[in-house]
Amino acid sequence: EDKVVQSPLSLVVHEGDTVTLNCSYEVTNFRSLLWYKQEKKAPTFLFMLTSSGIEKKSGRLSSILDKKELFSILNITATQTGDSAVYLCAVVGYGGSQGNLIFGKGTKLSVKP
Amino acid sequence: SQTIHQWPATLVQPVGSPLSLECTVEGTSNPNLYWYRQAAGRGLQLLFYSVGIGQISSEVPQNLSASRPQDRQFILSSKKLLLSDSGFYLCAWSGGQGAKYFGPGTRLTVT
Repeated sequence: EDKVVQSPLSLVVHEGDTVTLNCSYEVTNFRSLLWYKQEKKAPTFLFMLTSSGIEKKSGRLSSILDKKELFSILNITATQTGDSAVYLCAVVGYGGSQGNLIFGKGTKLSVKP
Repeated sequence: SQTIHQWPATLVQPVGSPLSLECTVEGTSNPNLYWYRQAAGRGLQLLFYSVGIGQISSEVPQNLSASRPQDRQFILSSKKLLLSDSGFYLCAWSGGQGAKYFGPGTRLTVT
């Protein structure tokens, strides 16, 4: 059965800290892995990863995929209170429900001032 | 660029009442469209997807239904709501490599 496991489930840090969020997966015919940020609204797209070892970067956020060990990490440096959100990891496999995303339960990040 | 709209943004409905949620997409043609639900404390669950007008696939048995009357319009309906239908309903369209882009969502509370 396809599944995505995120850790930790929740995390509390102070502004300026660096955090690493983890996502491990098992999926048939892996196609891509996606990271989303969800505040009290719809998830917003952060990154899509398809190849191992290639870092995607956007400002203070970066992510990398390891297709051999079946995991991805999302790093946030110099955290700010605006980074507080639930971070969702999802994977897509070929076939199935027209590319359905299998979501993890998310990591709730709280950044204290 | 592509834009996805949903309405209403919030909805409070009594048990047994009907439901109609609408999703429209701009800036793309013949998109794959999806309805997801996020219940409190739970992950995102795929409800329906559509690859074209009149083509609907259901992922879970339930009292909800979906329709796609136009290329860029996707509707989620119910004849009689249940308490368990409460949740955050998200419409999404599919970009390259399986990426999904979500609309703003409708927060439904069934009382």
